[in-house]
Amino acid sequence: QKEVEQDPGPLSVPEGAIVSLNCTYSNSAFQYFMWYRQYSRKGPELLMYTYSSGNKEDGRFTAQVDKSSKYISLFIRDSQPSDSATYLCAMSISNFGNEKLTFGTGTRLTIIP
Amino acid sequence: GAVVSQHPSWVICKSGTSVKIECRSLDFQATTMFWYRQFPKQSLMLMATSNEGSKATYEQGVEKDKFLINHASLTLSTLTVTSAHPEDSSFYICSARDQNSYFQETQYFGPGTRLLVL
Repeated sequence: QKEVEQDPGPLSVPEGAIVSLNCTYSNSAFQYFMWYRQYSRKGPELLMYTYSSGNKEDGRFTAQVDKSSKYISLFIRDSQPSDSATYLCAMSISNFGNEKLTFGTGTRLTIIP
Repeated sequence: GAVVSQHPSWVICKSGTSVKIECRSLDFQATTMFWYRQFPKQSLMLMATSNEGSKATYEQGVEKDKFLINHASLTLSTLTVTSAHPEDSSFYICSARDQNSYFQETQYFGPGTRLLVL
């Protein structure tokens, strides 16, 4: 069983829709959770960083963590064509800089104009 | 914002040759850099952690004699794939951590290098 499971998609939604991206994990030691956006042939860029259960909002993006269910989500409101990318969840046991990140496989998202 | 560059962005080589990939932090100093590999439709897999001035730490299953890592300065780490074979064809991505911050959110990724071994 993989430590982090993420539906690879692809996921296509019309512009303006709410997008829900999800990851589940099996290691209860994970305490820090991240969402990265990766455009084609580019490196990942950090979108959201959370460490507690509950919601964290940043503009059109909301990250949700449910540690009891080992489930995290990223919601994108008012989706735009520029949101089309692969979204990767990542998690770690501590937030120290040298700590290893464990990634999901990524979900490829396309926003249709 | 913090920028990490990689060179080359893509490379095609013959089986048996060695390929060197550079990772540079352009506007910050990085005591720690990470090397990842990403196969199609698979997740980023950490290969090794590179610390300036010391030996790299390799993840289980990664051959340190095949993937040579050198972190000679606070802004440059190199990954050399020695005697490359077709199964080494992949997307190699580095990341660098700003030495002025201890936390993960200041880990910045490069644009990646696509390697194709014929």
